[in-house]
Amino acid sequence: DIQMTQSPSTLSASVGDRVTITCRASQTISSWLAWYQQKPGKAPKLLIYKASSLESGVPSRFSGSGSGTEFTLTISSLQPDDFATYYCQQYNTYSGTFGQGTKVEIK
Amino acid sequence: QLQLQESGPGLVKPSETLSLTCTVSGGSISSSSYYWGWIRQPPGKGLEWIGSIYYSGSTYYNPSLKSRVTISVDTSKNQFSLKLSSVTAADTAVYYCARAFIWYFDLWGRGTLVTVSS
Repeated sequence: DIQMTQSPSTLSASVGDRVTITCRASQTISSWLAWYQQKPGKAPKLLIYKASSLESGVPSRFSGSGSGTEFTLTISSLQPDDFATYYCQQYNTYSGTFGQGTKVEIK
Repeated sequence: QLQLQESGPGLVKPSETLSLTCTVSGGSISSSSYYWGWIRQPPGKGLEWIGSIYYSGSTYYNPSLKSRVTISVDTSKNQFSLKLSSVTAADTAVYYCARAFIWYFDLWGRGTLVTVSS
């Protein structure tokens, strides 16, 4: 099974900060990686697919990069609406393992 | 606009079978472009993929749950379903159904809380 490890688990930041979240896969997954944002009591929302493709309607301050086993989600200038928990998900070989999540908190 | 809605009992007794249905509205579950999946989230914890199904009936399960999970599809009702047997308190979670393009989930239901308790 492919394991996904996110870091950090919690991140404290201020509005306007540049924020980077890392996701590492236990084996290579090419670019088969997605990022989601989840707010309390809500379903996750797709932000990025295929490691770096921005889902329609998602603000351009969100970007993704990486391939193989190491990936990053970057928020270029953190906005009040961005305080949430972020999950990565690999979708290689007919499975869908999620990372454990990164909570972005207000500093 | 396509929507997904989970339905089923909110309380299940230990050792019994959890059964949920996801109804797809505003579009066809028989689209060749998509798979359909179940994901769960225990209270205060992260997301866990349970399994996915194609409209033809092909299924794919999380190895850690495979022995207890059955996912099925009813194209005539535009629904797919989840059965999880021999449940314990560890299966208490919000259960989401979702649409998968390739294998990432681009559209989600609102989720339904299932509590396992006697």
